[in-house]
Amino acid sequence: AQSVSQHNHHVILSEAASLELGCNYSYGGTVNLFWYVQYPGQHLQLLLKYFSGDPLVKGIKGFEAEFIKSKFSFNLRKPSVQWSDTAEYFCAVNADDKIIFGKGTRLHILP
Amino acid sequence: DTGVSQNPRHKITKRGQNVTFRCDPISEHNRLYWYRQTLGQGPEFLTYFQNEAQLEKSRLLSDRFSAERPKGSFSTLEIQRTEQGDSAMYLCASSGGEKLFFGSGTQLSVL
Repeated sequence: AQSVSQHNHHVILSEAASLELGCNYSYGGTVNLFWYVQYPGQHLQLLLKYFSGDPLVKGIKGFEAEFIKSKFSFNLRKPSVQWSDTAEYFCAVNADDKIIFGKGTRLHILP
Repeated sequence: DTGVSQNPRHKITKRGQNVTFRCDPISEHNRLYWYRQTLGQGPEFLTYFQNEAQLEKSRLLSDRFSAERPKGSFSTLEIQRTEQGDSAMYLCASSGGEKLFFGSGTQLSVL
């Protein structure tokens, strides 16, 4: 069965620190990969997506993610985080038309 | 507003009662998804529709849960004989391609 694993459940960083959130998926076929973000009190929204082509994808607010097929990974990165990045981040995979989410990583940025 | 709309926002019910939630997707979107989310977890896939056809239902979903999308527009999710374990946020999302647009959810509390 398809699954998504996020390694970090809770991350605390200071402003301007670099961020990397891990995501691994389990699916043998062609995948589309996503990162969604949920800011406090708001609904889930798309941060970035990978369908094909360049494995390094750029999203909104300075986020990027790299698809490494051999490692079944799609890690999210940001060189310098801001207080406003405090949110919960979900990695997701579209496999067989179902979008499966990881358990999420709660990111807390200290001002 | 052209986003995904869910009603009600909150529902408190007694164990054993039936509840029904409504989702109005973005009008031109042909796919509609239902997810359930509990604290500390990612959205868990429940079911999805392509137009009015229900294409897949999670094996984890008991027979007490049923969803409809009668005219390929809005959808309803009904839970019969609610149990305390049904307490969760029920999320609806719609898609016209690969990207999901989420509603704000219906928070269900079963007493």
